Amino acid sequence: QVQLQESGPGLLKPSETLSVTCAVSGDAVTSSSYYWGFVRQSPEGGLEWIASILHPGNTFYNPSVESRVAISVDPSKNHFSLTLTSVTAADTALYYCRANFFWGQGIRVTVSS
Amino acid sequence: EIVMTQSPTTLSVSPGERATLSCRASQSVNSDLAWYQQKPGQAPRLLIYSASSRTTGIPARFSGSGSGTDFTLVVSSLQSEDFAVYYCQQYHRWPQTFGQGTKVEIK
Repeated sequence: QVQLQESGPGLLKPSETLSVTCAVSGDAVTSSSYYWGFVRQSPEGGLEWIASILHPGNTFYNPSVESRVAISVDPSKNHFSLTLTSVTAADTALYYCRANFFWGQGIRVTVSS
Repeated sequence: EIVMTQSPTTLSVSPGERATLSCRASQSVNSDLAWYQQKPGQAPRLLIYSASSRTTGIPARFSGSGSGTDFTLVVSSLQSEDFAVYYCQQYHRWPQTFGQGTKVEIK
């Protein structure tokens, strides 16, 4: 079974760029068996899908963040990454990476000046 | 986008009793519906996919049903470890969307 582990900064200032990386073990990130993706959970508890990628390059983005987001795969490191530009306090959340229905443990991101 | 609406928001149930959770989609998602359980401090855990298929390791007391726009998750006899928040999610169309959750609490 695939296992996932997020990493990234815990604290950002408004207008900065968020980068979250998800390390994959148990399978190759080049596998076409998985939609690799990210979901975030607000402090109030709501879940929001952000983006997914199907290797080698089919990407899917939530329209709510599409102008600010990118997802990519790095086969050399067997990980995939999310980049979210121009963050605001509304981007404060717990960010989870996913492989189909399997989830990482999440990383808490706070945006505050 | 497809809006997922769960009911009730909170369900108070005694251990050993049956819990019935509902999820409604604003348009048909066929059977492309998953149920997750989330406990405090943990990531959501998949219970059911394709509306009615239990994932590996999930006890038989959890069952899912429905297709189209109306779905149900039943926990036949609640155990202490089942008190948690439950979310439904559709993956029929992008963007994937989640319900707002149902909290199952001890009565």
